[in-house]
Amino acid sequence: GAVVSQHPSWVICKSGTSVKIECRSLDFQATTMFWYRQFPKQSLMLMATSNEGSKATYEQGVEKDKFLINHASLTLSTLTVTSAHPEDSSFYICSARDPGGNEQFFGPGTRLTVL
Amino acid sequence: AQSVTQLGSHVSVSEGALVLLRCNYSSSVPPYLFWYVQYPNQGLQLLLKYTTGATLVKGINGFEAEFKKSETSFHLTKPSAHMSDAAEYFCAVRRPMDMGRRALTFGSGTRLQVQP
Repeated sequence: GAVVSQHPSWVICKSGTSVKIECRSLDFQATTMFWYRQFPKQSLMLMATSNEGSKATYEQGVEKDKFLINHASLTLSTLTVTSAHPEDSSFYICSARDPGGNEQFFGPGTRLTVL
Repeated sequence: AQSVTQLGSHVSVSEGALVLLRCNYSSSVPPYLFWYVQYPNQGLQLLLKYTTGATLVKGINGFEAEFKKSETSFHLTKPSAHMSDAAEYFCAVRRPMDMGRRALTFGSGTRLQVQP
């Protein structure tokens, strides 16, 4: 099946700093990628839909100025958590849609810890 | 709007016993249904999915699920649990017309424990 990677797999940062997370589709082109957030022992909650070449679509309650999404190419989407605070600590997971099919493929996730 | 309810946040079974994880959905149209498994600190892996056709769907690792429209259910089963099945399981739904454009709606998850 298709492979989606995320980098880094984990990151620890100080409060107030910004963190960039990359999501790459390794063997297919993805016009649409999705960013989810998962708090401990909870389900995945959709944050935003990332569309190549256009602005991301954010879910209600997600601050677009805090969670910057860039989908500059068909294989890369980035999520930047700006001015991170401890409450932003979470597991961030991306997924990419295979344009040849109807399936989403998930990355391994990035664990963000903000001190 | 669509939603997914997973009954039981924790399920514990003995090794070799039947696994039954429950999932009920709510959707304005017959949806596509998915089961994913998540191991600690990892992303999601697709176990199986139902789109159209046969209502009994077989997936990887010996899991299967049956779509029952009358009960709006898509329960996940495995005849004999293995220690390696211990993980978090998520049921998800998406409307057919949304395929690819919109993300999945996930249930709250069920943590499966397998006792030796």
